[in-house]
Amino acid sequence: GENVEQHPSTLSVQEGDSAVIKCTYSDSASNYFPWYKQELGKGPQLIIDIRSNVGEKKDQRIAVTLNKTAKHFSLHITETQPEDSAVYFCALGGNTPLVFGKGTRLSVIA
Amino acid sequence: SAVISQKPSRDICQRGTSLTIQCQVDSQVTMMFWYRQQPGQSLTLIATANQGSEATYESGFVIDKFPISRPNLTFSTLTVSNMSPEDSSIYLCSVGGTQETQYFGPGTRLLVL
Repeated sequence: GENVEQHPSTLSVQEGDSAVIKCTYSDSASNYFPWYKQELGKGPQLIIDIRSNVGEKKDQRIAVTLNKTAKHFSLHITETQPEDSAVYFCALGGNTPLVFGKGTRLSVIA
Repeated sequence: SAVISQKPSRDICQRGTSLTIQCQVDSQVTMMFWYRQQPGQSLTLIATANQGSEATYESGFVIDKFPISRPNLTFSTLTVSNMSPEDSSIYLCSVGGTQETQYFGPGTRLLVL
Protein backbone atom coordinates (compact mmCIF):
# COMPACT_ATOMS: atom_id res chain seq x y z
CA GLY A 1 0.00 0.00 0.00
CA GLU A 2 0.93 3.65 0.05
CA ASN A 3 3.77 4.72 2.31
CA VAL A 4 5.01 8.14 3.32
CA GLU A 5 8.31 8.89 5.04
CA GLN A 6 8.47 12.02 7.17
CA HIS A 7 11.66 13.71 8.38
CA PRO A 8 12.88 14.82 10.80
CA SER A 9 11.09 13.15 13.69
CA THR A 10 12.05 16.02 16.01
CA LEU A 11 13.07 19.58 15.22
CA SER A 12 14.13 22.42 17.51
CA VAL A 13 14.46 25.97 16.23
CA GLN A 14 15.00 29.36 17.75
CA GLU A 15 12.06 31.71 17.74
CA GLY A 16 12.07 33.70 14.52
CA ASP A 17 13.93 31.07 12.52
CA SER A 18 12.40 28.91 9.80
CA ALA A 19 11.40 25.27 10.07
CA VAL A 20 11.17 22.78 7.22
CA ILE A 21 9.63 19.31 7.36
CA LYS A 22 9.82 16.95 4.39
CA CYS A 23 7.79 13.96 3.30
CA THR A 24 8.57 11.52 0.53
CA TYR A 25 6.25 8.99 -1.05
CA SER A 26 6.29 6.28 -3.68
CA ASP A 27 2.77 6.03 -5.12
CA SER A 28 2.50 8.23 -8.20
CA ALA A 29 -1.31 8.05 -7.96
CA SER A 30 -1.23 10.30 -4.88
CA ASN A 31 -2.71 13.67 -5.77
CA TYR A 32 -3.62 15.33 -2.48
CA PHE A 33 -1.07 16.38 0.17
CA PRO A 34 -2.38 17.88 3.43
CA TRP A 35 -0.49 18.92 6.54
CA TYR A 36 -1.92 18.71 10.05
CA LYS A 37 -0.85 20.31 13.31
CA GLN A 38 -1.61 18.52 16.57
CA GLU A 39 -1.23 20.33 19.85
CA LEU A 40 -1.08 18.48 23.13
CA GLY A 41 -4.46 17.11 24.13
CA LYS A 42 -6.16 18.08 20.87
CA GLY A 43 -7.12 16.49 17.59
CA PRO A 44 -5.13 17.14 14.40
CA GLN A 45 -5.93 20.46 12.72
CA LEU A 46 -5.62 20.91 8.96
CA ILE A 47 -3.25 23.84 8.40
CA ILE A 48 -2.56 23.71 4.68
CA ASP A 49 -2.97 21.37 1.74
CA ILE A 50 -1.89 21.16 -1.87
CA ARG A 51 -3.06 19.25 -4.90
CA SER A 52 -0.95 17.69 -7.62
CA ASN A 53 -1.66 20.37 -10.19
CA VAL A 54 0.01 23.01 -8.02
CA GLY A 55 3.70 23.32 -7.11
CA GLU A 56 3.47 25.69 -4.17
CA LYS A 57 0.87 27.17 -1.86
CA LYS A 58 1.30 29.80 0.81
CA ASP A 59 -0.83 30.99 3.72
CA GLN A 60 0.84 33.73 5.75
CA ARG A 61 3.83 32.14 7.51
CA ILE A 62 3.09 28.65 6.25
CA ALA A 63 3.88 27.26 2.81
CA VAL A 64 3.86 23.86 1.19
CA THR A 65 5.89 22.87 -1.86
CA LEU A 66 5.36 19.81 -4.01
CA ASN A 67 7.78 18.09 -6.37
CA LYS A 68 5.79 15.39 -8.13
CA THR A 69 8.71 14.22 -10.22
CA ALA A 70 10.86 13.55 -7.16
CA LYS A 71 7.79 12.50 -5.11
CA HIS A 72 8.32 14.74 -2.14
CA PHE A 73 6.52 17.64 -0.50
CA SER A 74 7.58 19.95 2.29
CA LEU A 75 6.09 22.21 4.92
CA HIS A 76 7.82 25.52 5.50
CA ILE A 77 7.14 27.69 8.55
CA THR A 78 8.80 31.09 8.60
CA GLU A 79 9.29 33.46 11.54
CA THR A 80 8.47 30.67 13.98
CA GLN A 81 6.74 31.50 17.24
CA PRO A 82 6.40 29.51 20.48
CA GLU A 83 2.79 28.70 19.60
CA ASP A 84 4.04 26.83 16.53
CA SER A 85 5.36 24.16 18.91
CA ALA A 86 3.35 21.01 18.17
CA VAL A 87 3.48 17.72 16.29
CA TYR A 88 3.06 18.08 12.53
CA PHE A 89 1.82 15.27 10.29
CA CYS A 90 1.93 15.06 6.53
CA ALA A 91 -0.57 12.86 4.72
CA LEU A 92 -1.24 11.43 1.27
CA GLY A 93 -4.56 11.25 -0.53
CA GLY A 94 -5.46 9.69 -3.81
CA ASN A 95 -7.49 6.62 -4.60
CA THR A 96 -7.33 5.35 -1.01
CA PRO A 97 -8.06 6.90 2.42
CA LEU A 98 -5.49 9.35 3.76
CA VAL A 99 -2.18 7.82 4.83
CA PHE A 100 -0.26 9.71 7.51
CA GLY A 101 3.43 10.19 8.14
CA LYS A 102 4.89 9.39 11.55
CA GLY A 103 4.96 13.01 12.61
CA THR A 104 7.52 15.69 13.48
CA ARG A 105 7.69 17.18 16.94
CA LEU A 106 8.59 20.85 16.49
CA SER A 107 9.87 22.84 19.44
CA VAL A 108 10.28 26.60 19.07
CA ILE A 109 12.63 27.94 21.69
CA ALA A 110 12.01 31.47 22.87
CA SER B 1 -15.07 23.40 8.05
CA ALA B 2 -17.38 21.17 10.12
CA VAL B 3 -17.52 21.37 13.91
CA ILE B 4 -16.99 17.92 15.39
CA SER B 5 -17.54 16.87 18.98
CA GLN B 6 -16.71 13.60 20.69
CA LYS B 7 -17.95 12.05 23.91
CA PRO B 8 -16.42 11.15 26.26
CA SER B 9 -13.31 13.28 26.01
CA ARG B 10 -11.45 10.79 28.19
CA ASP B 11 -12.11 7.67 30.22
CA ILE B 12 -10.39 5.12 32.38
CA CYS B 13 -11.78 1.60 31.98
CA GLN B 14 -11.20 -1.84 33.39
CA ARG B 15 -9.99 -4.62 31.15
CA GLY B 16 -12.73 -6.82 29.75
CA THR B 17 -15.27 -4.01 29.59
CA SER B 18 -16.49 -2.06 26.55
CA LEU B 19 -16.68 1.67 25.82
CA THR B 20 -18.80 3.43 23.22
CA ILE B 21 -17.47 6.69 21.81
CA GLN B 22 -19.83 9.14 20.15
CA CYS B 23 -19.05 11.52 17.30
CA GLN B 24 -21.41 14.37 16.43
CA VAL B 25 -21.03 16.75 13.48
CA ASP B 26 -22.82 20.07 13.09
CA SER B 27 -23.68 19.45 9.44
CA GLN B 28 -24.48 16.51 7.22
CA VAL B 29 -21.39 14.79 5.86
CA THR B 30 -21.00 11.87 3.53
CA MET B 31 -17.73 10.47 4.82
CA MET B 32 -16.96 9.71 8.46
CA PHE B 33 -13.87 7.89 9.68
CA TRP B 34 -12.50 6.46 12.90
CA TYR B 35 -8.78 6.54 13.69
CA ARG B 36 -6.61 5.25 16.49
CA GLN B 37 -3.54 7.10 17.70
CA GLN B 38 -1.39 5.14 20.10
CA PRO B 39 0.79 7.12 22.53
CA GLY B 40 3.40 9.14 20.66
CA GLN B 41 2.43 7.57 17.34
CA SER B 42 0.79 8.53 14.09
CA LEU B 43 -2.82 8.04 13.08
CA THR B 44 -4.08 4.65 11.93
CA LEU B 45 -7.40 4.32 10.16
CA ILE B 46 -9.71 1.81 11.84
CA ALA B 47 -12.69 2.03 9.50
CA THR B 48 -14.91 4.16 7.33
CA ALA B 49 -18.36 4.59 8.83
CA ASN B 50 -20.95 4.20 6.09
CA GLN B 51 -24.46 5.57 6.51
CA GLY B 52 -27.03 2.85 6.11
CA SER B 53 -24.58 -0.01 5.67
CA GLU B 54 -21.81 -1.84 7.48
CA ALA B 55 -18.56 -0.03 8.12
CA THR B 56 -15.53 -0.72 5.96
CA TYR B 57 -12.66 -1.94 8.13
CA GLU B 58 -8.94 -1.63 7.45
CA SER B 59 -6.57 -4.54 7.66
CA GLY B 60 -6.00 -5.54 11.26
CA PHE B 61 -9.32 -4.24 12.57
CA VAL B 62 -12.48 -6.34 12.87
CA ILE B 63 -16.11 -5.61 13.51
CA ASP B 64 -16.32 -7.79 16.63
CA LYS B 65 -13.65 -5.71 18.34
CA PHE B 66 -14.65 -2.29 16.98
CA PRO B 67 -18.36 -2.25 16.08
CA ILE B 68 -19.41 0.99 14.43
CA SER B 69 -22.81 2.56 13.93
CA ARG B 70 -23.76 5.35 11.52
CA PRO B 71 -27.50 5.94 11.88
CA ASN B 72 -27.52 9.26 9.99
CA LEU B 73 -25.30 11.80 8.24
CA THR B 74 -24.32 13.68 11.42
CA PHE B 75 -23.61 10.96 13.97
CA SER B 76 -21.51 7.84 14.47
CA THR B 77 -20.36 5.64 17.33
CA LEU B 78 -17.33 3.44 17.80
CA THR B 79 -17.31 0.74 20.46
CA VAL B 80 -14.08 -0.67 21.79
CA SER B 81 -15.05 -4.15 23.00
CA ASN B 82 -13.50 -6.46 25.57
CA MET B 83 -10.76 -3.95 26.25
CA SER B 84 -7.18 -4.74 27.19
CA PRO B 85 -4.36 -2.36 28.16
CA GLU B 86 -3.16 -2.47 24.52
CA ASP B 87 -6.33 -0.59 23.57
CA SER B 88 -5.14 2.47 25.50
CA SER B 89 -5.03 5.12 22.80
CA ILE B 90 -6.60 8.26 21.49
CA TYR B 91 -9.60 7.51 19.30
CA LEU B 92 -10.38 10.16 16.71
CA CYS B 93 -13.41 10.77 14.57
CA SER B 94 -12.93 12.62 11.29
CA VAL B 95 -15.23 13.78 8.54
CA GLY B 96 -14.63 14.30 4.87
CA GLY B 97 -14.99 17.69 3.34
CA THR B 98 -14.67 18.57 -0.29
CA GLN B 99 -12.20 16.67 -2.43
CA GLU B 100 -10.70 14.45 0.25
CA THR B 101 -10.20 17.17 2.85
CA GLN B 102 -10.63 15.70 6.32
CA TYR B 103 -11.35 17.40 9.61
CA PHE B 104 -10.80 15.79 12.97
CA GLY B 105 -12.64 15.85 16.24
CA PRO B 106 -10.85 16.53 19.54
CA GLY B 107 -10.38 12.84 20.29
CA THR B 108 -11.25 10.47 23.12
CA ARG B 109 -8.37 9.53 25.41
CA LEU B 110 -8.80 6.00 26.67
CA LEU B 111 -6.78 4.33 29.40
CA VAL B 112 -7.41 0.65 30.08
CA LEU B 113 -6.21 -0.75 33.39
